Amino acid sequence: AQTVTQSQPEMSVQEAETVTLSCTYDTSESDYYLFWYKQPPSRQMILVIRQEAYKQQNATENRFSVNFQKAAKSFSLKISDSQLGDAAMYFCAYRSAGSSGDKLTFGTGTRLAVRP
Amino acid sequence: DVKVTQSSRYLVKRTGEKVFLECVQDMDHENMFWYRQDPGLGLRLIYFSYDVKMKEKGDIPEGYSVSREKKERFSLILESASTNQTSMYLCASCLGDRGGTEAFFGQGTRLTVV
Repeated sequence: AQTVTQSQPEMSVQEAETVTLSCTYDTSESDYYLFWYKQPPSRQMILVIRQEAYKQQNATENRFSVNFQKAAKSFSLKISDSQLGDAAMYFCAYRSAGSSGDKLTFGTGTRLAVRP
Repeated sequence: DVKVTQSSRYLVKRTGEKVFLECVQDMDHENMFWYRQDPGLGLRLIYFSYDVKMKEKGDIPEGYSVSREKKERFSLILESASTNQTSMYLCASCLGDRGGTEAFFGQGTRLTVV
């Protein structure tokens, strides 16, 4: 079974600064997808960024980028120019592309605070 | 605007009651999921369904059952609610393409069992 580990329960960043959230995962599969989801206080979970394991290039979405290290099974999220609206819970998630099904496996989350 | 709608945002039930949590999606997605969210534990999968009348157990199915009679609706049932089932419940859906398409979530139901 796949597992996802987020070792930072809480992080804090100054507005306009850069912060990196860590995620590691364990799998024996070679083909899979990785995601970062954001859950603001409104509780609505929204997708931040997605990475396909067979792509070496790191995904980027505006101020959000990832550092995907397949051999190390590491998938960190970098938030640049942090804004007050970035304050939220962030969850790393894994989804198999193979026969083990479509389910999403989540980490325990990192709560990000943004200081004005 | 795509939507996953959960029937209640807050719910208070008594111990021993049978509880139904309803989830409806309007995106014609094959896959639907029920997760439980607790502080420090993240989201844990209770059950998921990849087609009408099809279901599979997730990581913590004990004390729960599910029903999917129509493609758009996925119900979570607590057969006899207990206080340790007090939690946030999240429903999600996605395409069944074994791909990396996005999963969409409802706003969650905060259930308190007293």
